[in-house]
Amino acid sequence: QKEVEQDPGPLSVPEGAIVSLNCTYSNSAFQYFMWYRQYSRKGPELLMYTYSSGNKEDGRFTAQVDKSSKYISLFIRDSQPSDSATYLCAMRGSARQLTFGSGTQLTVLP
Amino acid sequence: GAVVSQHPSRVICKSGTSVKIECRSLDFQATTMFWYRQFPKQSLMLMATSNEGSKATYEQGVEKDKFLINHASLTLSTLTVTSAHPEDSSFYICSARGTGVEQFFGPGTRLTVL
Repeated sequence: QKEVEQDPGPLSVPEGAIVSLNCTYSNSAFQYFMWYRQYSRKGPELLMYTYSSGNKEDGRFTAQVDKSSKYISLFIRDSQPSDSATYLCAMRGSARQLTFGSGTQLTVLP
Repeated sequence: GAVVSQHPSRVICKSGTSVKIECRSLDFQATTMFWYRQFPKQSLMLMATSNEGSKATYEQGVEKDKFLINHASLTLSTLTVTSAHPEDSSFYICSARGTGVEQFFGPGTRLTVL
């Protein structure tokens, strides 16, 4: 079993829809949770970073962490075609390196 | 967010030659830098972690004599692929972290070995 599980998709939604992206994990030592967006042939871009449990909002993006369920989510409101990309969850505990999910490919249709 | 640059963005070389990729943190001091490799439609595979002035720590299965990493300053790390072969063709991405928790990625380098 992988430490971090993420549905690879692909996920297609119409423009304006609310998108929900999720990851589950097994390592209870993870404390720092991040979401990255990666466009094709580009490096990942950090979208959101959350420490421990709770919610964090930044514009159209909301990150949620539920440590009791070992489940994290990223919500995108009013999705736009420019949101079409691969979304990667990543997390770590005290170790230096991040553990990544496999990424979810999202397409927002105009 | 902080900016990490990578150079070159794309390189094509002949089999047997060595290729150097540079990674720079432009507006912060990177105490730790990471090098990843990514195959098409796959997630990132960590190759090695390096701290400034220290030897890099390589992940299992990554040949340290094949992939030379130098982290000579707080803003620069280099990855040299020595005696490159076609199976080394891939997308190489560096990442940097300063004193905070966030980790920022470069734009990647696409290496094609003929």
